[in-house]
Amino acid sequence: EDKVVQSPLSLVVHEGDTVTLNCSYEVTNFRSLLWYKQEKKAPTFLFMLTSSGIEKKSGRLSSILDKKELFSILNITATQTGDSAVYLCAVALNAGNMLTFGGGTRLMVKP
Amino acid sequence: ETGVTQTPRHLVMGMTNKKSLKCEQHLGHNAMYWYKQSAKKPLELMFVYSLEERVENNSVPSRFSPECPNSSHLFLHLHTLQPEDSALYLCASSQEMGRQPQHFGDGTRLSIL
Repeated sequence: EDKVVQSPLSLVVHEGDTVTLNCSYEVTNFRSLLWYKQEKKAPTFLFMLTSSGIEKKSGRLSSILDKKELFSILNITATQTGDSAVYLCAVALNAGNMLTFGGGTRLMVKP
Repeated sequence: ETGVTQTPRHLVMGMTNKKSLKCEQHLGHNAMYWYKQSAKKPLELMFVYSLEERVENNSVPSRFSPECPNSSHLFLHLHTLQPEDSALYLCASSQEMGRQPQHFGDGTRLSIL
């Protein structure tokens, strides 16, 4: 059975801290890994990763994939209260390319 | 604004009621998806439509009935629901079936009394 596991389940930090969120997976026929941010409504797309070792960056957020060790990390530097959200990791498979989601990491950034 | 609009935002219904959830996408996409998001569980894919044809049904009970009249609109018809069906129902679309990323709507928060 395909599995995507995120850790930690939840995290509380203070503004300015740096956080690292983890996503590990055990799937057959891996195609890509995606990160989404979910505040109180729609998950919004952050990154899609298909190749190992190539960092994707958007402002204070960055992500990298390790296809050998089967995991990805999402880094947020200089966190702000607006970064408070649930961060979702999902894996797309070659067969149909449907998404299998992890349980999410709930991040709270305190002022 | 994600380009995917869901209505209603909140819905409370009894177990014997019949209601429908609506999703509309303004992105010109050809594929649309229904997901269920329950507390403390990962997002679960329910149905996938590609060019108005259902291509995936992930063992969803028949009390959930999807309808896709055209590539911009998707409905989820609900009848005789159970309390465990209370959840956030999310609609998503993508350019083609399985093509990433998917773009999500804000969801309908459903509560079954």
